[in-house]
Amino acid sequence: QKEVEQNSGPLSVPEGAIASLNCTYSDRGSQSFFWYRQYSGKSPELIMFIYSNGDKEDGRFTAQLNKASQYVSLLIRDSQPSDSATYLCAVNMGTGANNLFFGTGTRLTVIP
Amino acid sequence: DTGVSQNPRHKITKRGQNVTFRCDPISEHNRLYWYRQTLGQGPEFLTYFQNEAQLEKSRLLSDRFSAERPKGSFSTLEIQRTEQGDSAMYLCASSKRQGSSEAFFGQGTRLTVV
Repeated sequence: QKEVEQNSGPLSVPEGAIASLNCTYSDRGSQSFFWYRQYSGKSPELIMFIYSNGDKEDGRFTAQLNKASQYVSLLIRDSQPSDSATYLCAVNMGTGANNLFFGTGTRLTVIP
Repeated sequence: DTGVSQNPRHKITKRGQNVTFRCDPISEHNRLYWYRQTLGQGPEFLTYFQNEAQLEKSRLLSDRFSAERPKGSFSTLEIQRTEQGDSAMYLCASSKRQGSSEAFFGQGTRLTVV
């Protein structure tokens, strides 16, 4: 079982719609959760992080964390063509962990 | 530009040659990480420094790979006797020593071994 799992997609949504990206993780002791956006050929760019159960909103982005279900999601409201990218879920597993485990990413395409 | 800087951006080398990559982290960040990413995969952790101390190494890091951070500032990653399987994007990231653990990535070095 992989530590961090994501649906590889591709996920296609029309412009203006809500895109929902999901991620599950295996280690119940995981402490910190991150969403990175990666455009083709570029490096990952941090867009959201969440540490506590519940929702965290930043502009058009909302991260949702449910530690009991070991589930973290990213919602993108009013999706734009410029949001088309691969979204990587990353998890810092446990107190003192010094590295991030990444999922394989979900490719999102926003159709104009 | 105060972000993480990596050099070179691209490297093509013949199998069996040695290569070295450099990473300059964000200046106030004491934690530095190296990751490797292949096509269609997420980044995989290679090694971690806190200041000049290399505190963690992945099992992925064979003895052909060595990393240094001599003065707790920039870091180098060397691959000896390169193999075609080493072809990948090598990513460096840095984060603050205390407080948040968000890591910010450099542009990466794309290595092609021919």
